[in-house]
Amino acid sequence: DAGVTQSPTHLIKTRGQQVTLRCSPKSGHDTVSWYQQALGQGPQFIFQYYEEEERQRGNFPDRFSGHQFPNYSSELNVNALLLGDSALYLCASSPALSSNQPQHFGDGTRLSIL
Amino acid sequence: EDQVTQSPEALRLQEGESSSLNCSYTVSGLRGLFWYRQDPGKGPEFLFTLYSAGEEKEKERLKATLTKKESFLHITAPKPEDSATYLCAVQGWGAGGTSYGKLTFGQGTILTVHP
Repeated sequence: DAGVTQSPTHLIKTRGQQVTLRCSPKSGHDTVSWYQQALGQGPQFIFQYYEEEERQRGNFPDRFSGHQFPNYSSELNVNALLLGDSALYLCASSPALSSNQPQHFGDGTRLSIL
Repeated sequence: EDQVTQSPEALRLQEGESSSLNCSYTVSGLRGLFWYRQDPGKGPEFLFTLYSAGEEKEKERLKATLTKKESFLHITAPKPEDSATYLCAVQGWGAGGTSYGKLTFGQGTILTVHP
């Protein structure tokens, strides 16, 4: 049973560029959340997608946007990259929104901004 | 706003030396408190969910407990392979009794177990 998969594993960009990160949820899961984890910190919630809509958003600027596809996979887009966007970006999936099931995480995409 | 504080920031133990990690939280209606383990270069791995004060969960050398203000992760007779960062997160009920699943994490406790 495949878990949460993310691509790419590593990415290097320069300031001002745009990036797209991808996530495939665990089989049977339909809700996808994205988190940003800076070095030495806990993950911070960016937003959550369910039924192809953004259902909840954390304190991140509009430069961060996302999308969920009919097969439940998701993308995270970041525009006008800043040095401070360098971090590990984690995708987590879980069953339907009202479930008490825990979120399961992928191994993340390490984004470095030069 | 939900808040989670973990202590200590780092903990060094000798193999077999039992100890506890602390997670203090404030949340407007606790839906669940989650413990995760994170190895370097990996994503968080789910360990436990606790839902109400007084609840306890066990898995091998780990035991998680919950009160109304904090949770403890007890590690009994740890081994070097228990070395990792342990993360605590809360999920609260939103307005109207709904929950959209946002997890608020602490900064983690880095555990190192020496042989």
